[in-house]
Amino acid sequence: IVLTQSPATLSLSPGERATLSCRASQSVSSYLAWYQQKPGQAPRLLIYDASNRATGIPARFSGSGSGTDFTLTITSLEPEDFALYYCQQRTNWPPRITFGQGTRLEIK
Amino acid sequence: QLQLQESGPGLVKPSQTLSLTCTVSGGSVSSGSYYWSWIRQPAGEGLEWIGRIYTTGTTNYNPSLESRVTISVDTSKNQFSLKLSSVTAADTAVYYCASQLGYFDDWGQGTLVTVSS
Repeated sequence: IVLTQSPATLSLSPGERATLSCRASQSVSSYLAWYQQKPGQAPRLLIYDASNRATGIPARFSGSGSGTDFTLTITSLEPEDFALYYCQQRTNWPPRITFGQGTRLEIK
Repeated sequence: QLQLQESGPGLVKPSQTLSLTCTVSGGSVSSGSYYWSWIRQPAGEGLEWIGRIYTTGTTNYNPSLESRVTISVDTSKNQFSLKLSSVTAADTAVYYCASQLGYFDDWGQGTLVTVSS
């Protein structure tokens, strides 16, 4: 399963709303996660099962979608939100895990 | 929350075998709930799942790497390991270990492995 993220780069200002997209080449049901990665750091789990926030993740992060189309929304961007974002899917049989190519969220 | 730490050589020669170990603290690799995974990221590129091992010893590998990868677990040391054979420059990357319930909840800090003569 191939995950395609868009846009590749998103330029916004603090306080604005960010909408990131992830499209799967075939249905992954709701087995999709979103991660945030900052330079020099490991990725951090933000959203799992398409719409559930991981522990400690602020409410401004939300996920939606099912099947093949998914969205990560960040309302009112904070300076620390500018980073790379990856989506990831998992299939149980055969056991496969793939990541999208990433969206870079940069300060405008 | 688990803590994971990768260790191993930072430089490997082409055609040799890359070997890394991940030491887990704050939990047990024998826990029946977790998969233990390896993920890599070439510089400036995205994330690639390499494979995982379950506490039973069952392994799953990325088909694109399966012929070269072995993941094992050492419960006595609370560690799991990665071996990647016949490496080339294309295997140069930051290698992460991670714990997986449904998704990758906890990650190591990553270790850079360079393949070069």
